[in-house]
Amino acid sequence: DAGVIQSPRHEVTEMGQEVTLRCKPISGHNSLFWYRQTMMRGLELLIYFNNNVPIDDSGMPEDRFSAKMPNASFSTLKIQPSEPRDSAVYFCASSSADNQPQHFGDGTRLSIL
Amino acid sequence: GQQVMQIPQYQHVQEGEDFTTYCNSSTTLSNIQWYKQRPGGHPVFLIQLVKSGEVKKQKRLTFQFGEAKKNSSLHITATQTTDVGTYFCARQGGKLIFGQGTELSVKP
Repeated sequence: DAGVIQSPRHEVTEMGQEVTLRCKPISGHNSLFWYRQTMMRGLELLIYFNNNVPIDDSGMPEDRFSAKMPNASFSTLKIQPSEPRDSAVYFCASSSADNQPQHFGDGTRLSIL
Repeated sequence: GQQVMQIPQYQHVQEGEDFTTYCNSSTTLSNIQWYKQRPGGHPVFLIQLVKSGEVKKQKRLTFQFGEAKKNSSLHITATQTTDVGTYFCARQGGKLIFGQGTELSVKP
């Protein structure tokens, strides 16, 4: 079975540009999570969805960040406008329920110049 | 708060030595999950502990949940170079909250 699929794997762009990260969760999983990982702050939960509905977005840094889940098989995390401090690895994870083990994608390594 | 504290932050061992990382909470945990992240990789689920005093083993890895359900530990017996990575505990609080992780390096 395919795991969680994220794209792109790497993104390098200039500050001010819009960045869109994509995630396809494991089929049948009802919960989807977006994380950001940096050396300084570790692994932070940004937002999570249950059955395509955002449940907790308290980790979203600011209005420049937005996330959508239009259907059960696709989610996006958008940063507009991007800033150098947004540089990090962004992981998407899914699980069969929000208290079950999470399966992570390979991540998107984002660099904002 | 809902944080889980992990110690140590880093551990360097000689291959063959044992390794232990600890996860502590000021509040009672409903359950605790452990994940491993290899360098350059993504977190991979290892195990979930639910019951007070629970002990689970996976080959050379032993996971323990404290009697008061406020702490947990992961012990690796006779480390190998394949054990290198960062080990995270994570608590369930409506959402999964990760500790800062313990980075293990193993010298051959």
